[in-house]
Amino acid sequence: QVQLVESGGGVVQPGESLRLSCAASGFAFSSFGIHWVRQAPGKGLEWVAFIRHDGSNQFYADSVKGRFTISRDNSKNMLYLQVNSLRAEDTAIYYCVKAYSRTSYYFDYWGQGTLVTVSS
Amino acid sequence: DIVMTQSPDSLAVSLGERATINCKSSQSLLYISNNKNYLTWYQQKPGQPPKLLISWASTRESGVPDRFSGSGSGTDFTLTISSLQAEDVAVYYCQQYYDTPPTFGRGTKVEIK
Repeated sequence: QVQLVESGGGVVQPGESLRLSCAASGFAFSSFGIHWVRQAPGKGLEWVAFIRHDGSNQFYADSVKGRFTISRDNSKNMLYLQVNSLRAEDTAIYYCVKAYSRTSYYFDYWGQGTLVTVSS
Repeated sequence: DIVMTQSPDSLAVSLGERATINCKSSQSLLYISNNKNYLTWYQQKPGQPPKLLISWASTRESGVPDRFSGSGSGTDFTLTISSLQAEDVAVYYCQQYYDTPPTFGRGTKVEIK
């Protein structure tokens, strides 16, 4: 079955960086786009970033553009999100989410998420 | 960005009764060339990630009970739970994937009356 396991979250101070990881299994990883979607505590869902199946293109929400970088290693079935210059408003659970297809923007499987807390 | 407006914010329904959630988009989600509406519904139970219930506005995912149904087209959509069960207590989100960025409604919390 499809599994997405995030890691790398933690408590950091404003301006610091983290690298989030997502280990994928149970599907042909290199054939599907993958997204990051976040959810602030007690709040709704916000799309963050997308990478195509082959890593050829990346897309970002305006709120994170220039600070976050999504990447993937298809040889390891791994997805990453480098998050820099963190702000308090970046505090959220970050979900690794499988796209329905190579380029789709709807999400058929979600990981359990990793919590990022930005606080001084 | 396409704005997704859900209503109500919350609702309490008796067990076995119908629950109806509405979702309105700021522009049409109907792609004329394939006659498909680019809208999904997700269910999020406390402490869990969202789960995909319905795609293309009305296509129920495998394993989703048939008491869940989606309807609507263009800018107005509805998620209906025909006979509410205790395990349906959750927050429900609509999401459009017609355009980037994909956007979500603010969620509707469903509780038992």
